[in-house]
Amino acid sequence: GQQLNQSPQSMFIQEGEDVSMNCTSSSIFNTWLWYKQDPGEGPVLLIALYKAGELTSNGRLTAQFGITRKDSFLNISASIPSDVGIYFCAGRSGGTSYGKLTFGQGTILTVHP
Amino acid sequence: KAGVTQTPRYLIKTRGQQVTLSCSPISGHRSVSWYQQTPGQGLQFLFEYFSETQRNKGNFPGRFSGRQFSNSRSEMNVSTLELGDSALYLCASSSGGVGSPLHFGNGTRLTVT
Repeated sequence: GQQLNQSPQSMFIQEGEDVSMNCTSSSIFNTWLWYKQDPGEGPVLLIALYKAGELTSNGRLTAQFGITRKDSFLNISASIPSDVGIYFCAGRSGGTSYGKLTFGQGTILTVHP
Repeated sequence: KAGVTQTPRYLIKTRGQQVTLSCSPISGHRSVSWYQQTPGQGLQFLFEYFSETQRNKGNFPGRFSGRQFSNSRSEMNVSTLELGDSALYLCASSSGGVGSPLHFGNGTRLTVT
C-alpha cells in the first residue's frame, strides 16, 4: 500500500530556532495536509495544500506541495515552547479518496526554552 | 462552532467483548472518517461514511464496522475484542467534497485487557 516517509523522527531545538520537516512518497498525492497533535488530543489541521508547487503560510508555519506531487515540507520559524508536539503529514491520493488519508509516522518536536 | 465530539473518552474492555464508539461531526459536515492510532502502526484509516453510506474502507478485519445516521452522527463497533485492538480511535469530519480537509476529535482511548 501507499506509504509516507516523514523525517526527521524527532527534533530537539532551542527556542527561537527554525524547524524543517518533510514527507516523501513513492506515490502521487493530490492533497497534502499537515497536522499537529498534542498529548491526549486529536490532530489539529495546520495547513492544507492542493496544487503542485503551492506554497502556503499560516503565521510562523510555511508548507509546500512538491512539484512532483510526491513530497511536501513544513517549516516553522522562530520556534516557541508551545510548538512542542507531534507533527504529521498526510496525503490524499485520488479524487475519490475523500476521507481516506495516508499519514506519515510523525515528527516529535521538543523546544528548549 | 463546536468541533468534532467523541464519546466516551476512555474505555476499558475485556478480550472477547464488543464495544461501540460514538462521533458527532462538526455541524454541517456530512462525512465522517474513523482512524486507529497506535504507537507501532501510527494513524491508519478504518472507513468513511457520507450520507449514511460507506464511501471508503481501509484494510481492517470485518470485526470493525460502522454506521452513520441521518443527522451525520456516526458510530463505530468492534466485536470480539483482541488485545491488539487497544488504541486511540479518532473520528474526523469534513464537508465531504473533493479535497475538503479533515477535522479530528480528541479520540476514544480503548484499552483491552
